[in-house]
Amino acid sequence: GENVEQHPSTLSVQEGDSAVIKCTYSDSASNYFPWYKQELGKGPQLIIDIRSNVGEKKDQRIAVTLNKTAKHFSLHITETQPEDSAVYFCAARPGGYQKVTFGTGTKLQVIP
Amino acid sequence: IAGITQAPTSQILAAGRRMTLRCTQDMRHNAMYWYRQDLGLGLRLIHYSNTAGTTGKGEVPDGYSVSRANTDDFPLTLASAVPSQTSVYFCASSEVQGSGGELFFGEGSRLTVL
Repeated sequence: GENVEQHPSTLSVQEGDSAVIKCTYSDSASNYFPWYKQELGKGPQLIIDIRSNVGEKKDQRIAVTLNKTAKHFSLHITETQPEDSAVYFCAARPGGYQKVTFGTGTKLQVIP
Repeated sequence: IAGITQAPTSQILAAGRRMTLRCTQDMRHNAMYWYRQDLGLGLRLIHYSNTAGTTGKGEVPDGYSVSRANTDDFPLTLASAVPSQTSVYFCASSEVQGSGGELFFGEGSRLTVL
């Protein structure tokens, strides 16, 4: 089955700096890569996703990049704000009705 | 719109007891899932259901059972709880087709087995 590795497990940045979270996956058939944000005491919520036919996707301060050859994908948050502090999960899913496999999460702390 | 409702929010349970975590959705999604979240291990799939009347095993199904009698409800049962089942449990739903696979999560049920 799919195996997703996520790094780092914790990340602290100063407000206004950028944050990068990296993931690797093992199944070359995976073609859908979502990112979820989990605030304290809440369930995860989708913030951005990318499909294998696209190399990069942006949504305001958030961007995701995908390198299918290397089986790497990354989340980039620019101009970080205190409300970006949360746990972020990457995930990968093979095609069809296969289930997503999540990474182990990154706890991001933005220091005001 | 409530989305996914889970109950109870938190529960302390003696080992060996039976426990059912409830999950209800109001989005008419076909697929529903149960995950457990443990520090350092991320979210792991316990059981899933692609549509009412069908269920399947996820990554860590042992010690758990589910049923899907209708579209809205997807209860998770621990027949005889053990301390290793101490975790935060999340129910989620998704459209099987059309939405791109986005999962909608509840707010979780924190279970402590003593």
